[in-house]
Amino acid sequence: DQQVKQNSPSLSVQEGRISILNCDYTNSMFDYFLWYKKYPAEGPTFLISISSIKDKNEDGRFTVFLNKSAKHLSLHIVPSQPGDSAVYFCAALPGGTSYGKLTFGQGTILTVHP
Amino acid sequence: DVKVTQSSRYLVKRTGEKVFLECVQDMDHENMFWYRQDPGLGLRLIYFSYDVKMKEKGDIPEGYSVSREKKERFSLILESASTNQTSMYLCASSSLIRQGGAQYFGPGTRLLVL
Repeated sequence: DQQVKQNSPSLSVQEGRISILNCDYTNSMFDYFLWYKKYPAEGPTFLISISSIKDKNEDGRFTVFLNKSAKHLSLHIVPSQPGDSAVYFCAALPGGTSYGKLTFGQGTILTVHP
Repeated sequence: DVKVTQSSRYLVKRTGEKVFLECVQDMDHENMFWYRQDPGLGLRLIYFSYDVKMKEKGDIPEGYSVSREKKERFSLILESASTNQTSMYLCASSSLIRQGGAQYFGPGTRLLVL
């Protein structure tokens, strides 16, 4: 049972345009969401997060939107740069005593063309 | 800056060998995690630990064991390596008290079992 889903395995975008990466979840106990970026042969790097009490969080070129009623979050990258080409994972953290156990999506491969 | 280090970047082992993967974090994090990453499957949690000598099974613990004798060190053990354990292994640590529970990853160990 995939509780966090990234339905697009890949996304291709032109440099300078917006990249929108999507993520859906099913567990209403999740109350904190995170995005990670991963280059080949490296560990994932934490990018940005959002608490369920918010609907938007912004950090430079990266903005995460959360729609709790739809159980959907998205990551917007504006403007996209070739260095953003990587695998992006969304992850969710439930409230309560979970020992910080994250549930990850399958990942979306983003390619930004010069 | 959080630093998570893993003992090896690349390993080649033979079927049936016992394999030790070591992970060390320097941020006094309570929680530590072992994942494997396979194409199309995202990050799957093998085991995690929320305190010294405490461990919990993740989603795919079969064929693995772990050890946490010191807070900063978390070891993953493949008791008898098999070819289906060829994968990228990622260690992570987090603190629910600090940094909102975001997990910080090591660079990964790419294991090939022949």
